[in-house]
Amino acid sequence: RKEVEQDPGPFNVPEGATVAFNCTYSNSASQSFFWYRQDCRKEPKLLMSVYSSGNEDGRFTAQLNRASQYISLLIRDSKLSDSATYLCVVNIWNTGGFKTIFGAGTRLFVKA
Amino acid sequence: GAGVSQSPSNKVTEKGKDVELRCDPISGHTALYWYRQSLGQGLEFLIYFQGNSAPDKSGLPSDRFSAERTGGSVSTLTIQRTQQEDSAVYLCASSAIGTSAANTGELFFGEGSRLTVL
Repeated sequence: RKEVEQDPGPFNVPEGATVAFNCTYSNSASQSFFWYRQDCRKEPKLLMSVYSSGNEDGRFTAQLNRASQYISLLIRDSKLSDSATYLCVVNIWNTGGFKTIFGAGTRLFVKA
Repeated sequence: GAGVSQSPSNKVTEKGKDVELRCDPISGHTALYWYRQSLGQGLEFLIYFQGNSAPDKSGLPSDRFSAERTGGSVSTLTIQRTQQEDSAVYLCASSAIGTSAANTGELFFGEGSRLTVL
């Protein structure tokens, strides 16, 4: 089982749609969580951190459920410019050291 | 600029040649990572440096791959006797993780070095 698993893509949605991405992680020592965005042929960039209380940034809402080891990202009123690959990222600290684990990513296509 | 800088941005080489890829992290960042991304694929972890600790080399795919980080700053990834399957974008990232309790570990990526092995 992969340490970080994401919804298989791609997601094809019309402009204005609401789309949700899910991510699960297997290591209970995971301590911080992020969503990154990667545009085609570009480097990944931080979209938002994910906090236990949930957090919102404009049209984007991230949720964390530690009990279920589950992270989500909701995009409301999607725009053409939201088309990208969304990467779930987990930082793990344990006796073995520190690791940053990336999910394989879910590709989103928003169409007019 | 103040971001992560990688060079070269593009490298075309012949099978069997050695290549060196350079990463200059953000000043003050103690953590440095190398990842590899093949076309249409996810990020593959290669190696992680944190301060003066021994690096985590668990992701290096073979003994043809090595990396060093001199003076806790610039890092070089070396691929010896390159093979066609080494063709990918090699991404470097740095992080301030470990420099303060408040830091949650955001990674800042360079634009990558695109390696093509003919």
